[in-house]
Amino acid sequence: AQKITQTQPGMFVQEKEAVTLDCTYDTSDPSYGLFWYKQPSSGEMIFLIYQGSYDQQNATEGRYSLNFQKARKSANLVISASQLGDSAMYFCAMRELRGGGATNKLIFGTGTLLAVQP
Amino acid sequence: NAGVTQTPKFRVLKTGQSMTLLCAQDMNHEYMYWYRQDPGMGLRLIHYSVGEGTTAKGEVPDGYNVSRLKKQNFLLGLESAAPSQTSVYFCASSPPGQGTYEQYFGPGTRLTVT
Repeated sequence: AQKITQTQPGMFVQEKEAVTLDCTYDTSDPSYGLFWYKQPSSGEMIFLIYQGSYDQQNATEGRYSLNFQKARKSANLVISASQLGDSAMYFCAMRELRGGGATNKLIFGTGTLLAVQP
Repeated sequence: NAGVTQTPKFRVLKTGQSMTLLCAQDMNHEYMYWYRQDPGMGLRLIHYSVGEGTTAKGEVPDGYNVSRLKKQNFLLGLESAAPSQTSVYFCASSPPGQGTYEQYFGPGTRLTVT
């Protein structure tokens, strides 16, 4: 069964430093997608970045990059030059594409609460 | 575009009462989802729909029912609320197909059952 594991319940980082949030996944489907979402204290879910299992390069979106290590089944989020506004809960999620991706369902991890300190 | 909207934003119910949460999207998305978020457990899928008139069970469907009579709306019903259903409920939508089709989330509904 597919599963997402985020082992860091909480993390601290100094402003302007880089931080890595860990995510490991388990799936038997060779075709899948990995997502990261940000949830600030206001509660909304904000999409950050996507990595497909067949993508050759690691995904990047501005200060966000995804360190995708397929053999290790890990998809860590790297935030460069942290800002105070990065303080939030971060969720890793996976979508299996078995059956043609007919549902686009996501499985979420339990999240990592990031606190950026000035 | 308003995106995904949810009504109401907050609600307090007594045990045994019923209510319906409304989700609406204006992006013409085929797929819609209802999740619940509990502390330390991430988001868990309750029910989902892959098109008007269709619904299917997710990971935690017990105690909930859904309907998708119109493409843009997805309703979540609680027939007899229980304290275990105290949670934050999120609706989401996405287009069909593979690739970077992320789910777009509504702002959430905070439900307390006393």
